[in-house]
Amino acid sequence: NAGVTQTPKFRILKIGQSMTLQCTQDMNHNYMYWYRQDPGMGLKLIYYSVGAGITDKGEVPNGYNVSRSTTEDFPLRLELAAPSQTSVYFCASREGDYGYTFGSGTRLTVV
Amino acid sequence: GNSVTQMEGPVTLSEEAFLTINCTYTATGYPSLFWYVQYPGEGLQLLLKATKADDKGSNKGFEATYRKETTSFHLEKGSVQVSDSAVYFCALSDNAGNMLTFGGGTRLMVKP
Repeated sequence: NAGVTQTPKFRILKIGQSMTLQCTQDMNHNYMYWYRQDPGMGLKLIYYSVGAGITDKGEVPNGYNVSRSTTEDFPLRLELAAPSQTSVYFCASREGDYGYTFGSGTRLTVV
Repeated sequence: GNSVTQMEGPVTLSEEAFLTINCTYTATGYPSLFWYVQYPGEGLQLLLKATKADDKGSNKGFEATYRKETTSFHLEKGSVQVSDSAVYFCALSDNAGNMLTFGGGTRLMVKP
């Protein structure tokens, strides 16, 4: 049972480059989330989705975009990367009783 | 809006010591409350939860009680082990359960 799978695990980007962080889950969960975790800080919600075709902004959406064409996949797109986007990114999914399942994270450095 | 405040770490304890990590929250309505644990290099894992006032969540020797009167959800364990060394996050969900709000995390270090 794979759960929530994130790729890549690590990435270094130059300022102004773009990339897509991949997230896929095999639990048929409707709800999916993207969080970022800055050093010594809690997680901040970037975007979330309550089902295929539906997305909504979280607390810190600027500089990011998402799409949800299937139940399984919820990619996060960074356009014009900035040093402020250096962080660890976590994807999560849930269904029902608020038990979130998190991926193992993507560590992104923008230089 | 909703917010969660945790005691700052790191918390350093000797093995078999008693653990308390304080967590207080601000929220409208009746949120559900959670403790998540993050081991080095891994994602967050749900440790325990409570969905209404006076509920006690428990798992792996950890427990926390939902106290609406003090808006608190303190994490406790009677005897910590080296393997409990991790970062602990308190969190709450909004009434619809659509999103979690996290505290800043508390790093626990347990020495043999």
